[in-house]
Amino acid sequence: NAGVTQTPKFQVLKTGQSMTLQCAQDMNHEYMSWYRQDPGMGLRLIHYSVGAGITDQGEVPNGYNVSRSTTEDFPLRLLSAAPSQTSVYFCASTISGANVLTFGAGSRLTVL
Amino acid sequence: ELKVEQNPLFLSMQEGKNYTIYCNYSTTSDRLYWYRQDPGKSLESLFVLLSNGAVKQEGRLMASLDTKARLSTLHITAAVHDLSATYFCAVGEAGGGADGLTFGKGTHLIIQP
Repeated sequence: NAGVTQTPKFQVLKTGQSMTLQCAQDMNHEYMSWYRQDPGMGLRLIHYSVGAGITDQGEVPNGYNVSRSTTEDFPLRLLSAAPSQTSVYFCASTISGANVLTFGAGSRLTVL
Repeated sequence: ELKVEQNPLFLSMQEGKNYTIYCNYSTTSDRLYWYRQDPGKSLESLFVLLSNGAVKQEGRLMASLDTKARLSTLHITAAVHDLSATYFCAVGEAGGGADGLTFGKGTHLIIQP
């Protein structure tokens, strides 16, 4: 049982480049979400999904796109990376309702 | 907009001492979570609190929830070095799902021998 798998673990981009952070879960969880963690800021919600085909914006969605074509996968796309997007990104999932989030190991992104 | 405030943000304490971390939130919520994060690692769930007066304990950690005061506490009893970590509370707005949580900024806890 792999849980929540994020790839890559580390990535360095130049300003203006695009990339996709991958997130996959094998627990048949309905809810998936992306957070970014910056020093002294806690975790901030970027986008989330309550099921395949359904996504919604969180607190800090600008500069990021998501899609949910399957229950298992929830990729996060940066279309034109900016230095302000340098952060650690966490994907999380939960089965539904008030259940505990299961977090991935995180992806550290640096934009130069 | 739901706001979550933790204090203190930084705490250095000695082994064997007791201390409490506070988590205040601004709007009605029906669930509150406590997570632990070790440096460079992901978040590990500690407690889920779903009702007013809920109290949960695991080892030297005890969490409680007062929904009327919009306050949760994480109490550390007889601290040991292994509890050094950053602790986050996270709150979900009433009626929402567990996915869209608002996190506090975290309490960086250092426990010294």
